[in-house]
Amino acid sequence: EVQLVESGGGLVQPGGSLRLSCAASGFTFSSYGMNWVRQPPGKGLEWVSHISISGNTYYADSVKGRFTISRDNSKTTLHLQMNSLRDEDTAVYYCAKDGSGSFYKWWGQGTLVTVSS
Amino acid sequence: DIQMTQSPSTLPASEGDRVTITCRASQSIDNWLAWYQQKPGEAPKLLIYKASSLESGVPSRFSGIRSGTEFTLTISSLQPEDLATYYCQQYESFPITYGQGTRLEI
Repeated sequence: EVQLVESGGGLVQPGGSLRLSCAASGFTFSSYGMNWVRQPPGKGLEWVSHISISGNTYYADSVKGRFTISRDNSKTTLHLQMNSLRDEDTAVYYCAKDGSGSFYKWWGQGTLVTVSS
Repeated sequence: DIQMTQSPSTLPASEGDRVTITCRASQSIDNWLAWYQQKPGEAPKLLIYKASSLESGVPSRFSGIRSGTEFTLTISSLQPEDLATYYCQQYESFPITYGQGTRLEI
């Protein structure tokens, strides 16, 4: 059974940093693209970032230059380093596994990031 | 970026109704469209991928169809457990983009 478990969320001040992790199990991690998707409280879904099996990375314009996605295939873990955080980054952050394309059958439970002074 | 325009934003419906939700892409995305259902406090659940392919385990009352750049999710006979918010997502190219969501009110 595929499992994705996020961690690392919490309260951070504007301008601060946070590193999210997603521990993956139940599948061959190195063979799939992985993603971060976020959802501000009471709002819709927003794709954040993707990392391919070869390590190519893609970002939403809203986070480009501030967030960095990475993967550790030896530890089957996905990371999101978030710097220069803003109020509008407040959201539940989900990690999600690619299917046979960039659609997502498997999601984590989400981790809440709150940016506030 | 490809914009996804989803309608309606809210949809009052009753048990047994046939429900239709529409998403229009700002440019061609071929069949690279997925539909998700999200209930409060839960992660989204994949319903449909490649515009019309039903995900395993999803009830057959859910279906998807494409006409050009317009995509439709249909629930043939609404059940109480279908109370949720529904999102379309294009995955033709990065950045991946979502529709604004449709909240079903039963």
